[in-house]
Amino acid sequence: GAVVSQHPSRVICKSGTSVKIECRSLDFQATTMFWYRQFPKQSLMLMATSNEGSKATYEQGVEKDKFLINHASLTLSTLTVTSAHPEDSSFYICSARSGGFDTQYFGPGTRLTVL
Amino acid sequence: ILNVEQSPQSLHVQEGDSTNFTCSFPSSNFYALHWYRWETAKSPEALFVMTLNGDEKKKGRISATLNTKEGYSYLYIKGSQPEDSATYLCAPGNYGQNFVFGPGTRLSVLP
Repeated sequence: GAVVSQHPSRVICKSGTSVKIECRSLDFQATTMFWYRQFPKQSLMLMATSNEGSKATYEQGVEKDKFLINHASLTLSTLTVTSAHPEDSSFYICSARSGGFDTQYFGPGTRLTVL
Repeated sequence: ILNVEQSPQSLHVQEGDSTNFTCSFPSSNFYALHWYRWETAKSPEALFVMTLNGDEKKKGRISATLNTKEGYSYLYIKGSQPEDSATYLCAPGNYGQNFVFGPGTRLSVLP
């Protein structure tokens, strides 16, 4: 149980385009999902906390107009990188919270490359 | 934001060796700590959640201890196997705050 999927796994796009990444909890309902970004050789940096039916809470330094998060249902959250630029190239990974003491179940991540 | 440290950054051991690594965090206002294993090309997998000072959890050959007073947790692997090769992440959290991931310890077990 507690499986989270994430699509696409890899995306290459041109500078200026927008990219949408989906995160789905497949066998449980997740009122809260998290979006992380990982820079090379660094840890997972929390970008935002996504709560179903309400606005996402962004971490300091994360542009909410740049990284649009929508959590329209208990099983789906989306991250849209708007007007992507090469510096947005990174590994993005989502997680969904379930169970006691906030165990997070992670998706497999999305490798974004902006040319 | 919590300052979470993990050491060593990377570790190479021979198959059959036992190993351990450390997660350090500020001890005040502690709520819980998670350990995750992240194998290449897979999703991070939850190993343990620890909450009480002195907690010890075990899952097969892997175990973990927690000291909330001094702000550290140890992860032990007994008789390492190549399939244990992964990055091990700890994520402590304070009350009312999100969990913060450490930089991880990358373990390579050589056959």
